[in-house]
Amino acid sequence: EPEVTQTPSHQVTQMGQEVILRCVPISNHLYFYWYRQILGQKVEFLVSFYNNEISEKSEIFDDQFSVERPDGSNFTLKIRSTKLEDSAMYFCASTSSRATGELFFGEGSRLTVL
Amino acid sequence: AQSVTQLDSQVPVFEEAPVELRCNYSSSVSVYLFWYVQYPNQGLQLLLKYLSGSTLVESINGFEAEFNKSQTSFHLRKPSVHISDTAEYFCAVSRGSQGNLIFGKGTKLSVKP
Repeated sequence: EPEVTQTPSHQVTQMGQEVILRCVPISNHLYFYWYRQILGQKVEFLVSFYNNEISEKSEIFDDQFSVERPDGSNFTLKIRSTKLEDSAMYFCASTSSRATGELFFGEGSRLTVL
Repeated sequence: AQSVTQLDSQVPVFEEAPVELRCNYSSSVSVYLFWYVQYPNQGLQLLLKYLSGSTLVESINGFEAEFNKSQTSFHLRKPSVHISDTAEYFCAVSRGSQGNLIFGKGTKLSVKP
């Protein structure tokens, strides 16, 4: 069964360092998302991406964040200068149709900023 | 603005007991409602969804949820839980075609033998 894959599963970084989280969405999907979950808190929407551009982004998704689909398969989230409060589980998701609202999530990448 | 409230952060139950996980939402527009489940060390998986039509929706593993517009609720129920149902359950709402999900804080269901 096709699935969304994310790498790395866990990354530890120093504050101020750049981090890139990678995702391979399901191959025929056209809409891509990043969500994050700070420990003990809600899963929060960060950004949605379609047709090589951002469709919508939340207040969390400030200038420190960027997304890219550098080739036909990968979808990346970059944090330019990490802060302690960026420590969270980051989930990538994709879907073939926004009409149903059903998103397919990856297992997540845990980011720890020291 | 939309929001989702899951009042219970943890629900411990014994195996074969019934369970209800509560979810309330607020929205000024029509919404789609979802329950996602996260098993330990796994990603979020869709459990069931309400888009339109019958207000009672069911999953393949015995869970059901009922959309109640007047009470703005979408509670999740199962008449008899198994150990394997131990997981965290997230209620979510979307504005339909926008596809962006708004999640509740999640409810950790712990099924004990």
